[in-house]
Amino acid sequence: EPEVTQTPSHQVTQMGQEVILRCVPISNHLYFYWYRQILGQKVEFLVSFYNNEISEKSEIFDDQFSVERPDGSNFTLKIRSTKLEDSAMYFCASLPGTGGNEQYFGPGTRLTVT
Amino acid sequence: RKEVEQDPGPFNVPEGATVAFNCTYSNSASQSFFWYRQDCRKEPKLLMSVYSSGNEDGRFTAQLNRASQYISLLIRDSKLSDSATYLCVVGTGTASKLTFGTGTRLQVTL
Repeated sequence: EPEVTQTPSHQVTQMGQEVILRCVPISNHLYFYWYRQILGQKVEFLVSFYNNEISEKSEIFDDQFSVERPDGSNFTLKIRSTKLEDSAMYFCASLPGTGGNEQYFGPGTRLTVT
Repeated sequence: RKEVEQDPGPFNVPEGATVAFNCTYSNSASQSFFWYRQDCRKEPKLLMSVYSSGNEDGRFTAQLNRASQYISLLIRDSKLSDSATYLCVVGTGTASKLTFGTGTRLQVTL
């Protein structure tokens, strides 16, 4: 069964450093998303991406964040200058775009900012 | 008022028990409804979509009441492997962002 994959599984970085989280959505899916979950809290929407542009973003997704689909398979989330409060699990999700709104999630990247 | 509200639990039930979870949502424009399951430190996994007519998948039954903005999940004959956090999730339209509840933790014991 096709799956969303994410790398790395765990990233440790120092405050102020840039990080890039990588995702490979399910092939032939058209919509892509990033969510985050701070430890002990609910899953929160960050951004959605369709047709090579951002379709929606949350208040969390400020100028420090950017997304890119550099080729036909990867979908990346970049945090330019990490803060302690960016420590969280970051989940990528994808949606076929035809028939149903069920989003499928990757295993997540645990980001730890020290 | 929270966008999606759930009782955090935990619900501790013996194997074989029937357990029900409830959820309310505040956005009347919501159009898609789901239950996801999340194991500790893992990704949310889709359990089932929820339709106005109600739907069943094996031991799991989901119901939606649009008038009351209320969603439920019933698990019959609980198994140890059902132990997880159950997330009530709502979307506003086609391919829209998902809004998650905080989840209800279920612990099934021998």
